[in-house]
Amino acid sequence: KAGVTQTPRYLIKTRGQQVTLSCSPISGHRSVSWYQQTPGQGLQFLFEYFSETQRNKGNFPGRFSGRQFSNSRSEMNVSTLELGDSALYLCASSSRQGDYGYTFGSGTRLTVV
Amino acid sequence: AQSVTQLDSQVPVFEEAPVELRCNYSSSVSVYLFWYVQYPNQGLQLLLKYLSGSTLVKGINGFEAEFNKSQTSFHLRKPSVHISDTAEYFCAVNARSGSARQLTFGSGTQLTVLP
Repeated sequence: KAGVTQTPRYLIKTRGQQVTLSCSPISGHRSVSWYQQTPGQGLQFLFEYFSETQRNKGNFPGRFSGRQFSNSRSEMNVSTLELGDSALYLCASSSRQGDYGYTFGSGTRLTVV
Repeated sequence: AQSVTQLDSQVPVFEEAPVELRCNYSSSVSVYLFWYVQYPNQGLQLLLKYLSGSTLVKGINGFEAEFNKSQTSFHLRKPSVHISDTAEYFCAVNARSGSARQLTFGSGTQLTVLP
């Protein structure tokens, strides 16, 4: 059974640009969550999608957005990148909105220069 | 609102010694509790989870944790650690609150196993 796949693995962008990250959940999982991990702030919740609907959103500015497709694949987008957006972005999937634990992908390492 | 406190940011321990990583949580509703491990440049791997039932939960790689509702704790233990256990460990809580739910993580504990 394939795990959670995140692409790309590494990304370097310039301030002001925008970026799109992709996440393919485990087959059959309908819940996808996104987290930002930085040394200073730790793991912070971005948003969760379930059956194409955003169910919950963390405390991030509107530059951070996401969506989920009918096949449960999810994308997150960050517009007008800032240096502080440099982080490891982790995607996690679950069969039932995380009640029984999330399976995480290996993450996308975003560096903003 | 829920929160998780991991009491030790760094825990050094010698190989084959026992270890305990401490975690306390706060939530006004019933919770599900998790421990995850993260190796360098990787995502998070689920070690174990408490959903209900027995308060002693066994996980992968010889780890176990005990849920203590009165003390709102979920400490992680291993009787004998190996060099390969060196990693960062995260405690997390998933609390039900209507239809909104999210996994809230502690700040992490870096476990370093010394030869």
